[in-house]
Amino acid sequence: SAVISQKPSRDICQRGTSLTIQCQVDSQVTMMFWYRQQPGQSLTLIATANQGSEATYESGFVIDKFPISRPNLTFSTLTVSNMSPEDSSIYLCSVAAGDSYNEQFFGPGTRLTVL
Amino acid sequence: GQNIDQPTEMTATEGAIVQINCTYQTSGFNGLFWYQQHAGEAPTFLSYNVLDGLEEKGRFSSFLSRSKGYSYLLLKELQMKDSASYLCAVLDSNYQLIWGAGTKLIIKP
Repeated sequence: SAVISQKPSRDICQRGTSLTIQCQVDSQVTMMFWYRQQPGQSLTLIATANQGSEATYESGFVIDKFPISRPNLTFSTLTVSNMSPEDSSIYLCSVAAGDSYNEQFFGPGTRLTVL
Repeated sequence: GQNIDQPTEMTATEGAIVQINCTYQTSGFNGLFWYQQHAGEAPTFLSYNVLDGLEEKGRFSSFLSRSKGYSYLLLKELQMKDSASYLCAVLDSNYQLIWGAGTKLIIKP
């Protein structure tokens, strides 16, 4: 199984600022994803982080608000830009591995509170 | 559209058995996952089914029927630490996970 770390584990930020979350995997993986989970809700996919090209965003999420970098096969960043209290959530990095992507693991998450 | 249904909440007694059901309608199917998520923590992988039948892993078993679009997670000999949310997710034709809303399982002594 892949070991995934995220930084920071939590942060409290002011409205209008930006926060960059880092995700590091201990092995090379093809597929990396960024999710958001708001309190009491299930997971919502923000985007698929593609190595060497622009991320693929889901409906309701745009690059200007959530820019993503994927410089190599073990690392990705998600930036939450111009934050508002509605962005308060847990942000999770996930990777898919295995021949049929039948191994999907999550990082520990970043708990973001926007005041 | 794509849809995954599971009960919102279930209650069971310590030492007992509980079955959490999941039904799905998705564009394509490349497997079904069950995850456990304790409050404030990330989901942890429990099981993956891609063929029909029952997969057993210790106290936890997962069943799949592709023709019925149905799966269940069976938890035996329940312990208080099993109190958590259990998430059902289907890997669709684009190899993206489609998530259910999760089932909150409450274990009572």
